[in-house]
Amino acid sequence: KQEVTQIPAALSVPEGENLVLNCSFTDSAIYNLQWFRQDPGKGLTSLLLIQSSQREQTSGRLNASLDKSSGRSTLYIAASQPGDSATYLCAVRPDSWGKLQFGAGTQVVVTP
Amino acid sequence: DGGITQSPKYLFRKEGQNVTLSCEQNLNHDAMYWYRQDPGQGLRLIYYSQIVNDFQKGDIAEGYSVSREKKESFPLTVTSAQKNPTAFYLCASSRKQRSNQPQHFGDGTRLSIL
Repeated sequence: KQEVTQIPAALSVPEGENLVLNCSFTDSAIYNLQWFRQDPGKGLTSLLLIQSSQREQTSGRLNASLDKSSGRSTLYIAASQPGDSATYLCAVRPDSWGKLQFGAGTQVVVTP
Repeated sequence: DGGITQSPKYLFRKEGQNVTLSCEQNLNHDAMYWYRQDPGQGLRLIYYSQIVNDFQKGDIAEGYSVSREKKESFPLTVTSAQKNPTAFYLCASSRKQRSNQPQHFGDGTRLSIL
C-alpha cells in the first residue's frame, strides 16, 4: 500500500527566505503527483501537478520536482512572503484509475 | 465563476441522528469525491462517483452514504452508524476520474457532535 510522508510537520521561516518542502512516497510506480495549499478552515487549492513522465513543473515562484526512483518530490517556494503561510499537502495518484493518497501536510509560517 | 459549493459550513449532530452534507459543482465535471480530514492527518477518501447514478466506496465508507442523481450534485449522509463523525469534510470534483486533470475542492463542512 502506498504511504505518503511529509516531513517536517511544521516549519517557520523569515520573509524572503526560500522554502523547501518535502514529500516522500513508498511505491515509485505512480501516475502523477499533486501539490496543494490549504488555508485554515478552507478547502484545498491545487498548486502544481507533475505527471510521472515529468521531472519538474513551475508556476511563478513555485517549482516542484519529482524523482520517482527515490520516491521523492520537493516543492520550492522562492522568496517567501507572509501570504505563503498555509499548510501544503502532496498527493500521489498510483494509476490512471487510482485514488489520490495524501500526506498529512507541512504547516508553514512565514514571519515578517 | 465556476466552483464547488459546500453547505453548511458548520454542522452539529445529535446522538442517533443522520445528517446530510451538500456538495454542488458548476464546473461540468464528471467525477466527484468526498474526503474526511482529521487534525494532523491527510485526507481520506469516503466515496467517489465517476458518473451519474454510479458511485464507489473509498477507504473509509462505513457509516456514510451518498447519492448521485444529478451531475452537479453529490450529497453525503453521515449516519448514526458512524461513531466518530467529528471531522472536516471536503468535497472535490475533476473532469474525469481517469485523467491527469487536478481535483478542485470546496471550502469544506466542519461536523461536530452535540
